[in-house]
Amino acid sequence: LAKTTQPISMDSYEGQEVNITCSHNNIATNDYITWYQQFPSQGPRFIIQGYKTKVTNEVASLFIPADRKSSTLSLPRVSLSDTAVYYCLVGSNDYKLSFGAGTTVTVRA
Amino acid sequence: SAVISQKPSRDICQRGTSLTIQCQVDSQVTMMFWYRQQPGQSLTLIATANQGSEATYESGFVIDKFPISRPNLTFSTLTVSNLSPEDSSIYLCSGGQGAYEQYFGPGTRLTVT
Repeated sequence: LAKTTQPISMDSYEGQEVNITCSHNNIATNDYITWYQQFPSQGPRFIIQGYKTKVTNEVASLFIPADRKSSTLSLPRVSLSDTAVYYCLVGSNDYKLSFGAGTTVTVRA
Repeated sequence: SAVISQKPSRDICQRGTSLTIQCQVDSQVTMMFWYRQQPGQSLTLIATANQGSEATYESGFVIDKFPISRPNLTFSTLTVSNLSPEDSSIYLCSGGQGAYEQYFGPGTRLTVT
């Protein structure tokens, strides 16, 4: 499993864009990058997944450079309800998920 | 997507007893996992629950302490045996067609006294 490194915490204000970068220097060829969001007292929730370049859905965008050694989750125009812990995971689809420490994002009014 | 429910949502158990947690998925899923999470910390994978075969345990977790059943593609149980205060934690199950997109239950909060 590729080891991931992400910031412990980030602060933002409502309406701003939040970008969380995750480093995964030893990512394997068949590994995908997946991000999860977790609110207090809830299980994690799948946000987005990608292999290379850019992926966008209704919630977030995921930017992956050509060397795939890092990835950036972008949350556009955050609101107070986006305050949560965000986890970056790297692995293959037939393998298990390994959660790192995660990034605590705090959105302030 | 899949909706996962867990029972019980919380329990207080005495030292030396066991607790069985049930995980129900509203659709058939290929993969199911069990995790443990201490408040304020990340998730630690306990085991992969395989349908029709024994579970695959992560380092530091053994079948005698955490027996798992997976009788079909929508249901699994985790038993935490011979409870000690160190077992106090939140236990979560997840399910999905692949490891990428897993759906998680709300968790079971266990307190051992």
